[in-house]
Amino acid sequence: KAGVTQTPRYLIKTRGQQVTLSCSPISGHRSVSWYQQTPGQGLQFLFEYFSETQRNKGNFPGRFSGRQFSNSRSEMNVSTLELGDSALYLCASSLLAQGNTYEQYFGPGTRLTVT
Amino acid sequence: DQQVKQNSPSLSVQEGRISILNCDYTNSMFDYFLWYKKYPAEGPTFLISISSIKDKNEDGRFTVFLNKSAKHLSLHIVPSQPGDSAVYFCAATLSGGSNYKLTFGKGTLLTVNP
Repeated sequence: KAGVTQTPRYLIKTRGQQVTLSCSPISGHRSVSWYQQTPGQGLQFLFEYFSETQRNKGNFPGRFSGRQFSNSRSEMNVSTLELGDSALYLCASSLLAQGNTYEQYFGPGTRLTVT
Repeated sequence: DQQVKQNSPSLSVQEGRISILNCDYTNSMFDYFLWYKKYPAEGPTFLISISSIKDKNEDGRFTVFLNKSAKHLSLHIVPSQPGDSAVYFCAATLSGGSNYKLTFGKGTLLTVNP
């Protein structure tokens, strides 16, 4: 079974621009979560989607948004990029609600650099 | 407020010896705990988990211990191998309901020396 895939793997953007990142979960997984990893803060939860609905949101500004499609694929968008948005963005999928498993499986991440 | 803490940023052990990685949590509502391993330029890889109804879970060389009264868990790796060198993250969540997210510690860099 293929793992979680994320595109693009690397991205360089300029301050003020916007960016869209894509995630395809493991087949059959309906829960998709997004995390931001920075050296100082570790992995911080952005939001979680299940069946196209955002069920939970972390403590990030409204510039960070996401959505999930009917095939469980997910995108996240960051508008008006700031230098501090430079990070590794990780997507994770889970079988949650389909067997009481809470493990999340991560993709390789998208390295975003804002200049 | 950091609800999951890994107080040791790094740990160095000799190949063949035991590695013990520690994690503390403050939220007593957490009832499911996970450990992940992360290599540079890769996403975290799930290693092992434990529910709060247990105090120990083993999977091969990896054992996780949970002490609920102390709000502490640890990951034991025996024997340690050079390929185990990575950053290890502890994570916690509340099982059930729709408030599903993992809260991570900041990680511990494990170096296993040959």
